Amino acid sequence: KQEVTQIPAALSVPEGENLVLNCSFTDSAIYNLQWFRQDPGKGLTSLLLIQSSQREQTSGRLNASLDKSSGRSTLYIAASQPGDSATYLCAVDRGSTLGRLYFGRGTQLTVWP
Amino acid sequence: GAGVSQSPRYKVTKRGQDVALRCDPISGHVSLYWYRQALGQGPEFLTYFNYEAQQDKSGLPNDRFSAERPEGSISTLTIQRTEQRDSAMYRCASSLTGGDFSGANVLTFGAGSRLTVL
Repeated sequence: KQEVTQIPAALSVPEGENLVLNCSFTDSAIYNLQWFRQDPGKGLTSLLLIQSSQREQTSGRLNASLDKSSGRSTLYIAASQPGDSATYLCAVDRGSTLGRLYFGRGTQLTVWP
Repeated sequence: GAGVSQSPRYKVTKRGQDVALRCDPISGHVSLYWYRQALGQGPEFLTYFNYEAQQDKSGLPNDRFSAERPEGSISTLTIQRTEQRDSAMYRCASSLTGGDFSGANVLTFGAGSRLTVL
């Protein structure tokens, strides 16, 4: 069974800091890896998707990398802002189990002004 | 609709009662998924449909849980004889097609239905 682990569980930083969120998974036979953002009272929002053949994806101040061989992904957030405060979830899927995502528990990020 | 709509947003029920949670996916989306998220945990897969066919129900925890999507659009997740351990956020998601969530095929989640069993 695929296990996804995220560290740290919580992170509190002042505005402007660059930060790194970590995700690891036990089964390297993944199809895609996604990073989601979860805000209270709202749905999950997909931030970045990395296909298994790719090594990284970038969107604005966000950069996600993927190392399948070591079972790791990192989400880098540059110049953090209070609006970045949310829970960030990492999820992987496997081609053999279409439609099924395996999520980590998330990292709860607080950016204070 | 413009997004995935779930109802009710909040449901409080007494142990032993049956509950039905509804999901209205994005119009035209073929695939629909149900996940459950306990407090402090990540979402956990329950089941998914392509059109009206239930493709995978291996994540349903026991036979008190069932789901249907009779016309290939709206789906209902039913929990019979609820127990306190069923308390969680139940999330629905849809995608244009199943499997490969890349390119134009994005998985979109609804805001969820928070179930509390007393």
